[in-house]
Amino acid sequence: EVQLVESGGGLVQPGGSLRLSCAASGFTFSRYWMHWVRQAPGKGLVWVSRINTDGRSTIYADSVKGRFTISRDNAKNTLYLQMNSLRAEDTAVYYCAREGVTLGPWGQGTLVTVSS
Amino acid sequence: DIVMTQSPDSPAVSLGERATINCKSSQTILNSSNNKNYLAWYQHKPGQPPKLLIYWASTRESGVPDRFSGSGSGTDFTLTITSLQADDVAVYYCQQYYATPYTFGQGTKLEIK
Repeated sequence: EVQLVESGGGLVQPGGSLRLSCAASGFTFSRYWMHWVRQAPGKGLVWVSRINTDGRSTIYADSVKGRFTISRDNAKNTLYLQMNSLRAEDTAVYYCAREGVTLGPWGQGTLVTVSS
Repeated sequence: DIVMTQSPDSPAVSLGERATINCKSSQTILNSSNNKNYLAWYQHKPGQPPKLLIYWASTRESGVPDRFSGSGSGTDFTLTITSLQADDVAVYYCQQYYATPYTFGQGTKLEIK
């Protein structure tokens, strides 16, 4: 069974940093592109970032470019999102998702709250 | 960026009736080289991750009941749920994967009348 389990969320002050992880199992992680998508409280889904299979190609939404870094460790079957210079508007549930044709399956999500 | 616009925002449909959700993209998401529309539909229930229902605008994901169907091409798309069941109460999103940034519609909250 394919499983994606996010971790690393929590409360952080504005300007702070967090690193999210997404542990993958049940499939050959190294063969799939991976994504991060977020959902702010009461809002819709917003795509954040994508990484290719070997980690050498990444792309970001304009809202996080220069502050967030997506990466992966294929030996550990884990996807990461390093988030720096966090802002209140980054408060959201962050989901990782596998790309087949498109996004699916998704993890359960991890909540990031940016507040003083 | 490609803007995705859904309508209606929050329809209420009776159990057993048909529900229709529309999605319009700001530019075509039909790839003329393979004749595929890069459009997906997701179901999102509270406390759960989004679930992929439909891709290529009309292909059902494995395990999705056949009362869910997708149609449309170019810039105009529709998700249809025939014979609505109580378990179908959720927010539904369309999403284009034709170009990055991948973009979602604002969501349609489907409720039971």
